[in-house]
Amino acid sequence: ETGVTQSPTHLIKTRGQQVTLRCSSQSGHNTVSWYQQALGQGPQFIFQYYREEENGRGNFPPRFSGLQFPNYSSELNVNALELDDSALYLCASSFRQGLAGVETQYFGPGTRLLVL
Amino acid sequence: GNSVTQMEGPVTLSEEAFLTINCTYTATGYPSLFWYVQYPGEGLQLLLKATKADDKGSNKGFEATYRKETTSFHLEKGSVQVSDSAVYFCALTPQNGNQFYFGTGTSLTVIP
Repeated sequence: ETGVTQSPTHLIKTRGQQVTLRCSSQSGHNTVSWYQQALGQGPQFIFQYYREEENGRGNFPPRFSGLQFPNYSSELNVNALELDDSALYLCASSFRQGLAGVETQYFGPGTRLLVL
Repeated sequence: GNSVTQMEGPVTLSEEAFLTINCTYTATGYPSLFWYVQYPGEGLQLLLKATKADDKGSNKGFEATYRKETTSFHLEKGSVQVSDSAVYFCALTPQNGNQFYFGTGTSLTVIP
């Protein structure tokens, strides 16, 4: 077990709705990254948060947004849900020291989102 | 750019067979390389990693060697077990980077 927790485990929404997913990072970690994993695919990087600010973003539209809190937990918000947003959303925590690159990322179990 | 290409599956092996899953990468500089494993219905678990050329990562009987000259990080295990059935992902993070780049995954099924 990595110590990274995510909630909820499963979620069903309808097109156009908004959703918030939550992640608690592993103790001692200060960086949280979010990934989208479509069925049968590898995870795709959405964005990363470090010291409560977005620190890098993948090829996802602005309706994907996030927050990181002082305790390093994080939220992923998706507005105006589309059918293609159906996927497993993975949170990964890691430790970043200053400008040095992030090394190992530890993943939570994921939230499976279904958009109808 | 950065990318990972891994051998397509699915792969089906008999118990105690030898496993190789090929992974090659494209990256600038000196990335760190990883293998993650995903069991059905679960998130990704770190299997092993290597952070510089010629390093060998190993865990639970799995091994992979960081080969800069061939830009490869092939996963091997000498004798697979039924419990090794899962999807295996090769990944890299660039030197001083902030994201992981994953391959598409290779599904392994081990039959008794």
